[in-house]
Amino acid sequence: DTAVSQTPKYLVTQMGNDKSIKCEQNLGHDTMYWYKQDSKKFLKIMFSYNNKELIINETVPNRFSPKSPDKAHLNLHINSLELGDSAVYFCASSPSPAGELFFGEGSRLTVL
Amino acid sequence: GQSLEQPSEVTAVEGAIVQINCTYQTSGFYGLSWYQQHDGGAPTFLSYNALDGLEETGRFSSFLSRSDSYGYLLLQELQMKDSASYFCAVPNQAGTALIFGKGTTLSVSS
Repeated sequence: DTAVSQTPKYLVTQMGNDKSIKCEQNLGHDTMYWYKQDSKKFLKIMFSYNNKELIINETVPNRFSPKSPDKAHLNLHINSLELGDSAVYFCASSPSPAGELFFGEGSRLTVL
Repeated sequence: GQSLEQPSEVTAVEGAIVQINCTYQTSGFYGLSWYQQHDGGAPTFLSYNALDGLEETGRFSSFLSRSDSYGYLLLQELQMKDSASYFCAVPNQAGTALIFGKGTTLSVSS
Protein backbone atom coordinates (compact mmCIF):
# COMPACT_ATOMS: atom_id res chain seq x y z
CA ASP A 1 0.00 0.00 0.00
CA THR A 2 1.48 3.32 -1.10
CA ALA A 3 1.39 5.83 1.76
CA VAL A 4 1.03 8.96 -0.40
CA SER A 5 -0.13 8.41 -3.95
CA GLN A 6 -0.66 10.98 -6.64
CA THR A 7 -1.98 10.70 -10.17
CA PRO A 8 -1.15 11.08 -12.92
CA LYS A 9 2.60 10.56 -12.82
CA TYR A 10 3.11 12.34 -16.13
CA LEU A 11 1.13 15.06 -17.88
CA VAL A 12 1.99 16.56 -21.24
CA THR A 13 -0.30 19.33 -22.42
CA GLN A 14 -0.54 22.48 -24.47
CA MET A 15 -0.39 26.03 -23.18
CA GLY A 16 -3.77 27.36 -22.18
CA ASN A 17 -5.19 23.98 -21.17
CA ASP A 18 -6.49 23.05 -17.72
CA LYS A 19 -5.23 20.04 -15.79
CA SER A 20 -5.70 18.40 -12.40
CA ILE A 21 -3.49 16.29 -10.16
CA LYS A 22 -4.96 14.13 -7.44
CA CYS A 23 -3.34 13.09 -4.16
CA GLU A 24 -4.38 10.65 -1.48
CA GLN A 25 -2.67 9.60 1.75
CA ASN A 26 -3.50 6.59 3.90
CA LEU A 27 -1.28 7.54 6.84
CA GLY A 28 -3.99 9.23 8.85
CA HIS A 29 -2.08 12.52 8.75
CA ASP A 30 -3.81 15.83 9.41
CA THR A 31 -1.64 18.00 7.15
CA MET A 32 -1.13 17.85 3.40
CA TYR A 33 0.93 19.96 1.03
CA TRP A 34 1.72 20.72 -2.56
CA TYR A 35 5.35 21.46 -3.42
CA LYS A 36 6.71 22.48 -6.83
CA GLN A 37 10.18 21.33 -7.89
CA ASP A 38 11.66 23.18 -10.84
CA SER A 39 14.37 22.10 -13.26
CA LYS A 40 17.05 23.26 -10.81
CA LYS A 41 15.55 20.93 -8.17
CA PHE A 42 14.39 23.80 -5.97
CA LEU A 43 11.51 22.56 -3.79
CA LYS A 44 9.03 25.35 -3.16
CA ILE A 45 5.98 25.13 -0.91
CA MET A 46 2.77 26.08 -2.69
CA PHE A 47 -0.09 25.16 -0.39
CA SER A 48 -0.64 23.54 2.98
CA TYR A 49 -3.89 22.18 4.37
CA ASN A 50 -4.51 21.12 7.94
CA ASN A 51 -7.70 19.18 8.57
CA LYS A 52 -9.09 20.33 5.22
CA GLU A 53 -8.41 23.98 6.03
CA LEU A 54 -5.99 26.02 3.93
CA ILE A 55 -3.14 27.28 6.14
CA ILE A 56 -0.60 28.35 3.52
CA ASN A 57 -0.96 29.90 0.11
CA GLU A 58 2.53 30.93 -0.91
CA THR A 59 2.13 33.68 -3.52
CA VAL A 60 0.95 31.18 -6.05
CA PRO A 61 -0.96 32.53 -9.08
CA ASN A 62 -4.70 32.11 -8.68
CA ARG A 63 -4.66 29.83 -11.74
CA PHE A 64 -3.68 27.19 -9.17
CA SER A 65 -6.58 26.06 -7.03
CA PRO A 66 -6.19 23.35 -4.40
CA LYS A 67 -9.14 21.44 -3.01
CA SER A 68 -9.26 19.15 0.00
CA PRO A 69 -12.54 17.19 0.07
CA ASP A 70 -11.40 15.38 3.21
CA LYS A 71 -8.28 14.93 5.35
CA ALA A 72 -6.95 12.14 3.15
CA HIS A 73 -7.19 13.94 -0.17
CA LEU A 74 -5.67 17.09 -1.63
CA ASN A 75 -6.12 17.84 -5.30
CA LEU A 76 -4.55 20.56 -7.43
CA HIS A 77 -6.27 22.14 -10.41
CA ILE A 78 -4.34 24.39 -12.76
CA ASN A 79 -6.09 26.68 -15.26
CA SER A 80 -4.67 28.28 -18.38
CA LEU A 81 -1.36 26.46 -18.21
CA GLU A 82 1.80 28.39 -19.04
CA LEU A 83 5.26 27.23 -20.09
CA GLY A 84 6.63 28.21 -16.69
CA ASP A 85 4.29 25.76 -14.98
CA SER A 86 6.41 22.89 -16.30
CA ALA A 87 7.82 21.21 -13.19
CA VAL A 88 7.42 18.21 -10.92
CA TYR A 89 4.59 18.67 -8.44
CA PHE A 90 4.92 16.75 -5.20
CA CYS A 91 2.13 16.05 -2.79
CA ALA A 92 3.19 15.39 0.80
CA SER A 93 1.62 14.76 4.17
CA SER A 94 2.77 15.05 7.77
CA PRO A 95 1.27 14.19 11.17
CA SER A 96 1.26 17.90 12.07
CA PRO A 97 2.17 21.18 10.33
CA ALA A 98 5.89 21.33 9.48
CA GLY A 99 6.40 17.80 10.78
CA GLU A 100 8.23 14.97 9.02
CA LEU A 101 7.11 14.94 5.41
CA PHE A 102 6.03 11.87 3.48
CA PHE A 103 6.10 12.61 -0.23
CA GLY A 104 4.19 11.12 -3.12
CA GLU A 105 6.09 10.00 -6.22
CA GLY A 106 5.57 13.31 -7.99
CA SER A 107 3.67 14.37 -11.09
CA ARG A 108 5.83 15.65 -13.93
CA LEU A 109 3.97 18.34 -15.84
CA THR A 110 5.26 19.41 -19.25
CA VAL A 111 3.58 22.36 -20.93
CA LEU A 112 4.30 22.71 -24.67
CA GLY B 1 12.60 36.20 5.83
CA GLN B 2 14.08 32.75 5.91
CA SER B 3 16.94 31.32 3.92
CA LEU B 4 19.08 28.21 3.86
CA GLU B 5 22.47 27.91 2.24
CA GLN B 6 24.12 24.66 1.24
CA PRO B 7 26.77 23.80 -1.36
CA SER B 8 25.38 22.97 -4.77
CA GLU B 9 27.66 20.00 -5.46
CA VAL B 10 29.94 17.60 -3.63
CA THR B 11 31.95 14.74 -5.11
CA ALA B 12 33.58 11.83 -3.30
CA VAL B 13 34.75 8.26 -3.83
CA GLU B 14 33.33 5.06 -2.44
CA GLY B 15 34.29 4.41 1.15
CA ALA B 16 35.03 8.06 1.88
CA ILE B 17 33.36 10.41 4.36
CA VAL B 18 31.58 13.55 3.19
CA GLN B 19 30.04 16.45 5.10
CA ILE B 20 27.25 18.60 3.65
CA ASN B 21 26.87 21.91 5.45
CA CYS B 22 23.76 23.99 5.88
CA THR B 23 23.48 27.48 7.32
CA TYR B 24 20.09 28.97 7.94
CA GLN B 25 18.49 32.29 8.76
CA THR B 26 15.11 32.13 10.41
CA SER B 27 13.16 34.03 13.02
CA GLY B 28 12.16 31.41 15.53
CA PHE B 29 13.73 28.00 15.22
CA TYR B 30 11.97 24.66 15.43
CA GLY B 31 14.63 22.25 14.22
CA LEU B 32 16.67 21.28 11.16
CA SER B 33 15.74 18.35 8.93
CA TRP B 34 17.53 16.54 6.13
CA TYR B 35 15.99 14.83 3.12
CA GLN B 36 17.48 12.66 0.39
CA GLN B 37 16.24 12.58 -3.18
CA HIS B 38 17.48 10.23 -5.89
CA ASP B 39 17.11 11.28 -9.51
CA GLY B 40 13.54 10.73 -10.64
CA GLY B 41 12.42 9.93 -7.11
CA ALA B 42 10.67 11.63 -4.23
CA PRO B 43 12.42 13.26 -1.28
CA THR B 44 12.64 10.98 1.74
CA PHE B 45 13.28 11.94 5.34
CA LEU B 46 16.75 11.26 6.75
CA SER B 47 17.07 13.04 10.07
CA TYR B 48 15.88 15.78 12.38
CA ASN B 49 17.77 17.83 14.97
CA ALA B 50 15.90 20.00 17.43
CA LEU B 51 18.75 20.32 19.94
CA ASP B 52 22.48 20.96 19.61
CA GLY B 53 24.71 17.99 18.99
CA LEU B 54 25.13 14.95 16.85
CA GLU B 55 22.39 12.46 15.94
CA GLU B 56 23.60 9.18 14.48
CA THR B 57 21.59 6.80 12.33
CA GLY B 58 23.74 4.09 10.83
CA ARG B 59 26.17 5.53 8.28
CA PHE B 60 24.48 8.93 8.39
CA SER B 61 24.80 11.50 11.17
CA SER B 62 23.42 15.00 11.49
CA PHE B 63 24.75 17.82 13.61
CA LEU B 64 23.21 21.06 14.79
CA SER B 65 24.60 24.19 16.42
CA ARG B 66 21.76 26.59 17.14
CA SER B 67 24.09 29.37 18.31
CA ASP B 68 25.83 29.28 14.90
CA SER B 69 22.61 28.68 12.90
CA TYR B 70 24.49 25.82 11.30
CA GLY B 71 24.13 22.13 10.77
CA TYR B 72 25.63 19.40 8.68
CA LEU B 73 24.90 15.95 7.37
CA LEU B 74 27.77 13.49 7.63
CA LEU B 75 27.78 10.46 5.37
CA GLN B 76 30.32 7.72 6.15
CA GLU B 77 31.49 4.68 4.20
CA LEU B 78 30.04 6.17 1.06
CA GLN B 79 28.40 3.84 -1.43
CA MET B 80 27.42 4.44 -5.04
CA LYS B 81 23.77 4.36 -4.01
CA ASP B 82 24.37 7.47 -1.87
CA SER B 83 24.63 9.52 -5.08
CA ALA B 84 21.59 11.77 -4.73
CA SER B 85 20.51 15.28 -3.81
CA TYR B 86 20.42 16.21 -0.14
CA PHE B 87 18.22 19.00 1.19
CA CYS B 88 18.23 20.72 4.54
CA ALA B 89 14.93 22.17 5.70
CA VAL B 90 13.49 24.28 8.50
CA PRO B 91 9.90 25.18 9.40
CA ASN B 92 8.66 28.52 8.14
CA GLN B 93 8.05 31.37 10.56
CA ALA B 94 4.46 30.31 11.23
CA GLY B 95 5.49 26.70 11.76
CA THR B 96 3.06 25.54 9.08
CA ALA B 97 5.39 24.03 6.45
CA LEU B 98 9.00 23.12 5.78
CA ILE B 99 11.17 25.45 3.73
CA PHE B 100 13.95 23.70 1.82
CA GLY B 101 17.47 24.69 0.86
CA LYS B 102 18.39 24.47 -2.81
CA GLY B 103 19.93 21.05 -2.38
CA THR B 104 23.40 19.55 -2.63
CA THR B 105 24.06 17.02 -5.38
CA LEU B 106 26.39 14.31 -4.14
CA SER B 107 28.22 12.23 -6.73
CA VAL B 108 29.98 9.11 -5.50
CA SER B 109 32.45 7.46 -7.86
CA SER B 110 34.26 4.14 -7.65
